[in-house]
Amino acid sequence: DAKTTQPPSMDCAEGRAANLPCNHSTISGNEYVYWYRQIHSQGPQYIIHGLKNNETNEMASLIITEDRKSSTLILPHATLRDTAVYYCITTGTASKLTFGTGTRLQVTL
Amino acid sequence: DGGITQSPKYLFRKEGQNVTLSCEQNLNHDAMYWYRQDPGQGLRLIYYSQIVNDFQKGDIAEGYSVSREKKESFPLTVTSAQKNPTAFYLCASSRAGVETQYFGPGTRLLVL
Repeated sequence: DAKTTQPPSMDCAEGRAANLPCNHSTISGNEYVYWYRQIHSQGPQYIIHGLKNNETNEMASLIITEDRKSSTLILPHATLRDTAVYYCITTGTASKLTFGTGTRLQVTL
Repeated sequence: DGGITQSPKYLFRKEGQNVTLSCEQNLNHDAMYWYRQDPGQGLRLIYYSQIVNDFQKGDIAEGYSVSREKKESFPLTVTSAQKNPTAFYLCASSRAGVETQYFGPGTRLLVL
């Protein structure tokens, strides 16, 4: 069973920030929060991960609540190429990435 | 360029035939993984290997077999025992002890 809960779909206007939420209320202390995305018919692409602190890289920012029960992936200026399914995953071991059905983000003009 | 390659992109199989999907990586990663994805669903783990000559079953290993004779290669065989093999198959790799997995482009298998 997936350990995370995400909305099935979201829309975002191009140029705006896309904020994708994820609930992971059963996360344990040694588990990381990972985000991947999958553009149609391609392999998933790693975006970002974090443990406790907020993280930022060239693709996105990850905001993790203080109690670590939820997080938000932020794409600061969404483009049409960001249209994809976004997966939020919690894991403590390299062999156990459990992909749920994710959030389908549609970026529109 | 470093990366993961999967071939072929599309594969057709007749019922009752075994078929082998290729996965090669030149990232010098120790661990490799095979996932299956059905339409509208997330990925499910078939097999994984943390080191050469060793591999473990994932959540849906029945009807599949793997080998890991070289660090760079992790082929997946879909056997005739797999009742519903039509799916999108994805290979991934990661460094030992590090969770970030990097994925190949996938192979779409269609049983005729």
